Amino acid sequence: QKEVEQDPGPLSVPEGAIVSLNCTYSNSAFQYFMWYRQYSRKGPELLMYTYSSGNKEDGRFTAQVDKSSKYISLFIRDSQPSDSATYLCAMGDDKIIFGKGTRLHILP
Amino acid sequence: SAVISQKPSRDICQRGTSLTIQCQVDSQVTMMFWYRQQPGQSLTLIATANQGSEATYESGFVIDKFPISRPNLTFSTLTVSNMSPEDSSIYLCSVLGQYNEKLFFGSGTQLSVL
Repeated sequence: QKEVEQDPGPLSVPEGAIVSLNCTYSNSAFQYFMWYRQYSRKGPELLMYTYSSGNKEDGRFTAQVDKSSKYISLFIRDSQPSDSATYLCAMGDDKIIFGKGTRLHILP
Repeated sequence: SAVISQKPSRDICQRGTSLTIQCQVDSQVTMMFWYRQQPGQSLTLIATANQGSEATYESGFVIDKFPISRPNLTFSTLTVSNMSPEDSSIYLCSVLGQYNEKLFFGSGTQLSVL
């Protein structure tokens, strides 16, 4: 089992829909969790950072961590075409491990 | 967050040649990291570059293939040596934020080897 699993997509949803992106992990030692957004030909941009179970909200984005299930999610409300990108989950303790990324397309 | 400038943004190179990628940060940082992002794959850490000491390489990466320089606290270079088509990838420079928790990335270098 890989340390971090993330469905590569692509995921296509209509504009305005709620998007749910997910990752599972196997290492219970992971202490902090991040979501990055990466546009084509750009470096990853940090969207959300959390180190505890529960929800963290920032504008249209909500990060959810369930350490008991080793499962994290990113929700995007009122999705926009500009949200079309690849979303990478990342997590770690003394070393950061990345998921492969999910390609998201928001359809106008 | 740190502002990280990376160049070149992209290059097309011939097999057997070498390319040096530069990374400039707008603030002093202790550690800089070099990642590789191959199509359909996770970001993979190549090495950690500390100022004043040899870089620390991850399993599967060696100094002869990926020599790194770190002359000061704001700058680093990664050289991809004796390139082959398998080296075609995005190479990313990154640094930790102020409290050594959040990882920030440069815009990346898209390398294609013919």
